[in-house]
Amino acid sequence: GENVGLHLPTLSVQEGDNSIINCAYSNSASDYFIWYKQESGKGPQFIIDIRSNMDKRQGQRVTVLLNKTVKHLSLQIAATQPGDSAVYFCAETFSGSARQLTFGSGTQLTVLP
Amino acid sequence: NAGVTQTPKFQVLKTGQSMTLQCAQDMNHEYMSWYRQDPGMGLRLIHYSVGAGITDQGEVPNGYNVSRSTTEDFPLRLLSAAPSQTSVYFCASSYSRVASSNQPQHFGDGTRLSIL
Repeated sequence: GENVGLHLPTLSVQEGDNSIINCAYSNSASDYFIWYKQESGKGPQFIIDIRSNMDKRQGQRVTVLLNKTVKHLSLQIAATQPGDSAVYFCAETFSGSARQLTFGSGTQLTVLP
Repeated sequence: NAGVTQTPKFQVLKTGQSMTLQCAQDMNHEYMSWYRQDPGMGLRLIHYSVGAGITDQGEVPNGYNVSRSTTEDFPLRLLSAAPSQTSVYFCASSYSRVASSNQPQHFGDGTRLSIL
């Protein structure tokens, strides 16, 4: 899950396994969510998004699940590859925020050979 | 395609010095923004712009100025650097305020700034 402390949560998975990264968002009014991937020394990269009228959305090897009841978002990566090693974080926004994004602190995913 | 280009990549300043972080995009995006990223924390919005000549404050604007004289460029100025401004700074751009899978927000690779 997300962590506002100094150390990021970590997740280590074997190459080829599936990864699940979690995010607890803060605002029940949030209606649009994005997952980002950030590789070391690089800027964040858009992975997948989901609107609050959906509970699941699939992309290429990635699936995002949204549970509005408990304000929880997850990112599932199928057949994790070494190139998936990065920090993953979610962002939320709602129309009343002038569409500004609130970002989580992220989870460090390490793919083991 | 260059995308979003930030310069410099690294900078060390002394307390009280001023400097400008440069950001340029070549995608004709109207919306540009500056974030700072601190250890263990999410990105925080400093300033943003919805088009040339228009800027507004984000969550943490104090100590920073911006201007948007052209669509392409969105420089961030530190007026009098303080150790609390040690951070990694990211510039981002998109067609609209809200990114989507069809029109995602593009980030630069960041400027790593240390204030001594």
